[in-house]
Amino acid sequence: GQQLNQSPQSMFIQEGEDVSMNCTSSSIFNTWLWYKQDPGEGPVLLIALYKAGELTSNGRLTAQFGITRKDSFLNISASIPSDVGIYFCAGIGRGTYKYIFGTGTRLKVLA
Amino acid sequence: GAVVSQHPSRVICKSGTSVKIECRSLDFQATTMFWYRQFPKQSLMLMATSNEGSKATYEQGVEKDKFLINHASLTLSTLTVTSAHPEDSSFYICSARLGRNYEQYFGPGTRLTVT
Repeated sequence: GQQLNQSPQSMFIQEGEDVSMNCTSSSIFNTWLWYKQDPGEGPVLLIALYKAGELTSNGRLTAQFGITRKDSFLNISASIPSDVGIYFCAGIGRGTYKYIFGTGTRLKVLA
Repeated sequence: GAVVSQHPSRVICKSGTSVKIECRSLDFQATTMFWYRQFPKQSLMLMATSNEGSKATYEQGVEKDKFLINHASLTLSTLTVTSAHPEDSSFYICSARLGRNYEQYFGPGTRLTVT
């Protein structure tokens, strides 16, 4: 099935550093969502974006809905060890409510 | 709020047997529930969409006779893997959609191992 491209695929960062990741698509989406998945668990919703250009924060997390509607970005400020996990973006196209998931970004934080 | 549970969390079964996985929305009524499959180090792949009281809609390539979905109520959907084979071993995750909201809330997943 179709998947969205996430970048980077994985990253090691030092505790306290800021993290940026993005999700790109060849087609337009009307909704972008970001989830975090811990090993052996289901994904947990972090942020949902509904309008092009929208910038939304949830604590240390900030996500943006790209102006072209073909991409979205997630930033984590001042990372902490519990930020470790896999971050997935998901997009929803027009006329549907089904998700297309991204390939995931695996984040590892070095204390 | 918006809690989704799955049972069992882990199951080991023998080839040829059937396994049922339950997905429940605990504190809301789900208009739609979804079933995903996830292989190690990979993303989630949608298997099927189910609405209460109607037949599930399966994604291309998913065998409906093998993966039986029953959405008996607004809070319960079940996935039965019939005549399981080792290649059916995977992490199965359900999610539920709340009202007209586009957001899905995921269960904790079920690890199925077929020996």
